[in-house]
Amino acid sequence: KAGVTQTPRYLIKTRGQQVTLSCSPISGHRSVSWYQQTPGQGLQFLFEYFSETQRNKGNFPGRFSGRQFSNSRSEMNVSTLELGDSALYLCASRLAGEGYNEQFFGPGTRLTVL
Amino acid sequence: QKEVEQNSGPLSVPEGAIASLNCTYSDRGSQSFFWYRQYSGKSPELIMFIYSNGDKEDGRFTAQLNKASQYVSLLIRDSQPSDSATYLCAMKGAGKSTFGDGTTLTVKP
Repeated sequence: KAGVTQTPRYLIKTRGQQVTLSCSPISGHRSVSWYQQTPGQGLQFLFEYFSETQRNKGNFPGRFSGRQFSNSRSEMNVSTLELGDSALYLCASRLAGEGYNEQFFGPGTRLTVL
Repeated sequence: QKEVEQNSGPLSVPEGAIASLNCTYSDRGSQSFFWYRQYSGKSPELIMFIYSNGDKEDGRFTAQLNKASQYVSLLIRDSQPSDSATYLCAMKGAGKSTFGDGTTLTVKP
């Protein structure tokens, strides 16, 4: 079974621009979560989507948003990029449902903001 | 206080030894506990999960959970140089998953 895929793998943007990252979960997985990983802050939860609805949200400004499509694929968007948004953005999927809490990560998108 | 605290590293053990990684958490509502391994420049890889008090073994890995003490650990037996990585402890309650900052393990040949 194919793993979680993320596109693009690398991205360079300038301050003020916006960016959209994409995530395709493992086949059959219905929950997708997004994380930001930086050397200083570690792995920080952004949001989780299940059945096209945001179920949980972390402590990030409104510039960070996401959505999920009917095929469980998800996108996240960051508007008005800041230098501090440079990070590895990770997507993780899980089956969802009672007892299915194991998450599997994609390879990540490395975002650099200049 | 952080929600998830991992023992500060880096941790260095000789090849063949037992590596012990520890994690404490503050949210008593946490129900599921995970250990991820992350090689430099790569994404986290799930290596163990445990939901009930006690021990869970998988090959050279043993996860231990004590909900009363809010403590979870990972033991790696017969450590190999290929085990050198950062190990992340994570937990999930009714809401989001929370990760520790990680402990970097180096296994010296």
